[in-house]
Amino acid sequence: AQSVSQHNHHVILSEAASLELGCNYSYGGTVNLFWYVQYPGQHLQLLLKYFSGDPLVKGIKGFEAEFIKSKFSFNLRKPSVQWSDTAEYFCAVNPALSSNTGKLIFGQGTTLQVKP
Amino acid sequence: NAGVTQTPKFQVLKTGQSMTLQCAQDMNHEYMSWYRQDPGMGLRLIHYSVGAGITDQGEVPNGYNVSRSTTEDFPLRLLSAAPSQTSVYFCASSRHRSNEQFFGPGTRLTVL
Repeated sequence: AQSVSQHNHHVILSEAASLELGCNYSYGGTVNLFWYVQYPGQHLQLLLKYFSGDPLVKGIKGFEAEFIKSKFSFNLRKPSVQWSDTAEYFCAVNPALSSNTGKLIFGQGTTLQVKP
Repeated sequence: NAGVTQTPKFQVLKTGQSMTLQCAQDMNHEYMSWYRQDPGMGLRLIHYSVGAGITDQGEVPNGYNVSRSTTEDFPLRLLSAAPSQTSVYFCASSRHRSNEQFFGPGTRLTVL
């Protein structure tokens, strides 16, 4: 079955530290890839997305992600985190075969806590 | 635009009760979906719709019904609530099937 794995369930960093959150998926065909963020008490918001082209994509608030097809990975990075980045982060995959339905398969989520 | 709206924000039910979670979007999106969010499990797709009059099951459809009579509205019905349905429910919509999905604020449901 198709699945998305986020390896880090809970990450604690100090401000200005660098961040990398892992995401791997188990689908061999064409995929659309997303990272969503959920700030405390709020709904999910799109951080960035990859459909095609340059595998290094830049999103809002200084986040970026790199699609490595050979590793089935789409890791999220930020060079220097801020306290306001404290949130839960979700990786999501839309397999091309599901493009007729728009189904998104989500990872389990990673809770990021940034200490001031 | 209001985007995706959901009502109610909070709800407490007793086992066996029924209720409808409302979802509406004003962006003329053709695709809408319902997810439930549980700790450590991410979001799981319950039902989805690719247009008015068309719905289909997602990953965890049991105990839930949906209908899509208009482009704007996509209500989720719990026929007989069970404690296992205690969760946070999110509605989402997108303009096309593989595009970015916009999420509503969620409904936190507790079934006693």
